[in-house]
Amino acid sequence: EAGVAQSPRYKIIEKRQSVAFWCNPISGHATLYWYQQILGQGPKLLIQFQNNGVVDDSQLPKDRFSAERLKGVDSTLKIQPAKLEDSAVYLCASSFRGSSRGNEQFFGPGTRLTVL
Amino acid sequence: AQSVTQLDSQVPVFEEAPVELRCNYSSSVSVYLFWYVQYPNQGLQLLLKYLSGSTLVKGINGFEAEFNKSQTSFHLRKPSVHISDTAEYFCAVSENYGQNFVFGPGTRLSVLP
Repeated sequence: EAGVAQSPRYKIIEKRQSVAFWCNPISGHATLYWYQQILGQGPKLLIQFQNNGVVDDSQLPKDRFSAERLKGVDSTLKIQPAKLEDSAVYLCASSFRGSSRGNEQFFGPGTRLTVL
Repeated sequence: AQSVTQLDSQVPVFEEAPVELRCNYSSSVSVYLFWYVQYPNQGLQLLLKYLSGSTLVKGINGFEAEFNKSQTSFHLRKPSVHISDTAEYFCAVSENYGQNFVFGPGTRLSVLP
């Protein structure tokens, strides 16, 4: 089966500019996650969707970050305006929601964002 | 809220030697535990997971981990490593059927010839 797709793979912007990332999960996966991975750290969950509803966005900086999953399939994460500290790899993951599978997540390759 | 500690940020080991990567967690409820591997410039890949049942879990590429509830640990082991095992390894925990998924800071395993 096809994996989680993300684009772009790399993005360089200047601070105060806007940027958007796109993710297409594995077909049939109801749950979609966005993570931020700063160099040298583990991924930090930004937002979790179940179909097109938000399950957890407690760590999303809502003054500048937004995300949507309008049709319950692909998703977009936006940063507006970007700050230097937003430089990171943004990972998208999806899972088939089922307790017997322990919510195993499948990850995309990530988008590496550099803010200058 | 739960948390994950990986005490070793870097572990160098010679090829064919055994290795153990340590993971400890804290949580007030029952948890699911995971180990993920991240090869250079690639996404995360699941190595193994503990949901319930046997505390010794076997994963891909010859890795295994043991869940110890009393010590709140989930250490990852491999009896003989290869150069290709060089990567970043992340321990993760979730509760409530997959909610509140938290990753540890990672351990960089470097296998030396």
